[in-house]
Amino acid sequence: DQQVKQNSPSLSVQEGRISILNCDYTNSMFDYFLWYKKYPAEGPTFLISISSIKDKNEDGRFTVFLNKSAKHLSLHIVPSQPGDSAVYFCAASGATGRRALTFGSGTRLQVQP
Amino acid sequence: EAQVTQNPRYLITVTGKKLTVTCSQNMNHEYMSWYRQDPGLGLRQIYYSMNVEVTDKGDVPEGYKVSRKEKRNFPLILESPSPNQTSLYFCASSLSRAGGNEKLFFGSGTQLSVL
Repeated sequence: DQQVKQNSPSLSVQEGRISILNCDYTNSMFDYFLWYKKYPAEGPTFLISISSIKDKNEDGRFTVFLNKSAKHLSLHIVPSQPGDSAVYFCAASGATGRRALTFGSGTRLQVQP
Repeated sequence: EAQVTQNPRYLITVTGKKLTVTCSQNMNHEYMSWYRQDPGLGLRQIYYSMNVEVTDKGDVPEGYKVSRKEKRNFPLILESPSPNQTSLYFCASSLSRAGGNEKLFFGSGTQLSVL
């Protein structure tokens, strides 16, 4: 049973437009949510995170929104650039911290020039 | 350069032939972990280590072993590989316990095929 779900395997947007990647979770004990980006033949790299006590966190072109009541978070990329083309993983961590991140299945973003 | 180094990058083997995937980090991180990535399933944790000589099972530990004799190294051992262990494997590390807002640093991955 996947506790973190990314229901869109892929997304294609035009350069300069907004990219919105979505993630749903089921475990209300998660206290942090993170986004990782992965390029082909490389390991995932940390992008941005948000605490469960916040509803928004912004870092440059990247903003993550958290809706706790809906158990939903989203990553907004504005404006999208071709270099943003990658697989994006949503991840969550629990309150105890003993176990590592629980990852979603990933969304492949393609930004068209 | 701060990094997590895995070797080999690609490995093809046959069922039952023991193999080891090495992982080393040069950031003096306490926490290390192994993940496997499979299509549609994302990354799933195999084993993790909170510190030297401290290891514990993740979500999918069956068929794997690990050891943490030194802080920098965390090898993944498949004593008798089977085809269902064909996957992309990632080693990761972080400064302290993973959880909360602790960022994981990942290696470049090892693509394993078990025939």
